[in-house]
This record gives sequence, structure tokens and C-alpha cells, in this order.
Amino acid sequence: EPEVTQTPSHQVTQMGQEVILRCVPISNHLYFYWYRQILGQKVEFLVSFYNNEISEKSEIFDDQFSVERPDGSNFTLKIRSTKLEDSAMYFCASSGGLNMNTEAFFGQGTRLTVV
Amino acid sequence: AQSVTQLDSHVSVSEGTPVLLRCNYSSSYSPSLFWYVQHPNKGLQLLLKYTSAATLVKGINGFEAEFKKSETSFHLTKPSAHMSDAAEYFCVVSKTDSWGKLQFGAGTQVVVTP
Repeated sequence: EPEVTQTPSHQVTQMGQEVILRCVPISNHLYFYWYRQILGQKVEFLVSFYNNEISEKSEIFDDQFSVERPDGSNFTLKIRSTKLEDSAMYFCASSGGLNMNTEAFFGQGTRLTVV
Repeated sequence: AQSVTQLDSHVSVSEGTPVLLRCNYSSSYSPSLFWYVQHPNKGLQLLLKYTSAATLVKGINGFEAEFKKSETSFHLTKPSAHMSDAAEYFCVVSKTDSWGKLQFGAGTQVVVTP
């Protein structure tokens, strides 16, 4: 069964450092997303990406965040200068079809710890 | 705007007894509603979805949910709990034409005792 894969499963970084979280969406999917879940809080939408550009983003997704699909298979989330409050589980998701009318498939998540 | 409220943060059931996870939603739009499950160290897996077709929706692993517009509810049920049902369950809402942007509830942790 096709699945979304995320690497690494756990990343520890020092405050102020840049991190890149990586995702390989399901191969025939067209829409890609990042969500995050701070410990003890709800899963929150960060950004959606379609046709090589951001289609929607939340207030959380400020200038410190960026997304990229560098090679047609990977989908990355970059945080330029990490803060302690960026510590969270980050989930990548993808959905397919000619419109958005399919459910999102999620990866296992990357736990980011900023120290 | 849309949101979901999961009424129980923790539910404990005995194996073989029914499971009920409660969810209420609010939405300015015609909503699509989902239940996702997360087992330890696993990703979020879709259990079932409602998209304005039949109000009683059947999902995987014997789960089902009923969309009740008058009560703005989408409760998840299973007649007989299994040990493997121990997990965290999320009720999720989205706009019907924008399934990717999902609004999650806080989650319900289910514990199944022998």
C-alpha cells in the first residue's frame, strides 16, 4: 500500500539553527501539506502546496518557514532559525486527483526538539 | 470558520464492550467530516469520512459514525472494542471543496482493558 514517508523520525537542534524536514508523498498525488502538533495541543495546519507553489498557509507559517519540492519526489519544510516554541511533531500529508476531492494521507511524523 | 470539539480527552473501555467517541462540529460551510486514528509511533490513518452522501458512514476496523446535522455531531462508535483499538482518535472537519486543509479536534485517547 502506498504511504507517505518522513525523515528523520526525530531531530534535535539548537535554537537558531536551520532545520529541514523531509517528506516523500505518495507518487501520484498532486497536493502536499504540512501540519504540526505541539505537545498537548491540537494538530494545526501549516501550509498546502500545489503546482509548485503555496496554495494556502496559516498564520503560523511566517517568514521563518518555507516549503519546497526540489526534485519531483521530495517535499521539504525548512525552518530558518529555530525557536524553542518550534518544538513539535511535524506531519506531512498528500492527497491526489484532479481536484482536492480525496482524503489526505499522513506520514508518521518528525518529532522536532529545539534545545 | 469551522471547528471541532471532542467531548472526551480519555475513554477507557473493556475489551468486547461498545466504544463511543463524541464529536461536535461547527462550520460556516457544508462540512466534510473525518475520523483519523493514530497508533503509537504511527502516522495518522483515516478511519472514515462523511462528504454529504449517506449520513451513516462505515469505516475500517468495524467503526462507524453518524452525521447528525440537527445536533451538529459526528460521533464514532464500534460495537465491540478490541485491544488493538487502543490509540488516539481525532475528529476532523474541512470545507467540502478543500479536503487538504483540515481542522483537528484535540483528540481522544482510548484505553482498552482486558
